[in-house]
Amino acid sequence: DGGITQSPKYLFRKEGQNVTLSCEQNLNHDAMYWYRQDPGQGLRLIYYSQIVNDFQKGDIAEGYSVSREKKESFPLTVTSAQKNPTAFYLCASRSQGGPQHFGDGTRLSIL
Amino acid sequence: EDKVVQSPLSLVVHEGDTVTLNCSYEVTNFRSLLWYKQEKKAPTFLFMLTSSGIEKKSGRLSSILDKKELFSILNITATQTGDSAIYLCAGIQGAQKLVFGQGTRLTINP
Repeated sequence: DGGITQSPKYLFRKEGQNVTLSCEQNLNHDAMYWYRQDPGQGLRLIYYSQIVNDFQKGDIAEGYSVSREKKESFPLTVTSAQKNPTAFYLCASRSQGGPQHFGDGTRLSIL
Repeated sequence: EDKVVQSPLSLVVHEGDTVTLNCSYEVTNFRSLLWYKQEKKAPTFLFMLTSSGIEKKSGRLSSILDKKELFSILNITATQTGDSAIYLCAGIQGAQKLVFGQGTRLTINP
């Protein structure tokens, strides 16, 4: 089935640790996105990529990094510089002119 | 600064009622407006509105965009408990970037 797969569903981070959230899509979409959602709030854009080997910062990129080496994959690393990483992280992809479609999300917590 | 504002933030109604959710936007290079329904996990796509004044309909849900007044509404008629969710609207800025509102939490009581 075509779709967006995020893993893991739940992730725990220790102080000072970097963690990487996976996002894979088999929809052949060019554009991919990472959002953060905090309780009671909408989605805030972290990074997005329109083509392979290119990406742009969103509104809250500090403390995060991404790569786009393959069209299908857009992993997000939450670095130790992100002081408040506890949130629900959503990955999305989009074809030209179409709506964004989302994965099921990763819930990140601090140990 | 680009922003999308939804109202109300929270709404509780009885099953069978009709609800109207509001979304106003100020988005540079505005292209389209999207509505999503979010239950436990991923937001699921409802509508994409590009032209002003043309209603889109899907079952008991309908939506319309007013590009002059910069707002959109989402109507749900004959609500059911399964309609309980967070409803998100987002403006598409330029070619690719979305600006989301904070969402409306809708609760339908039996």
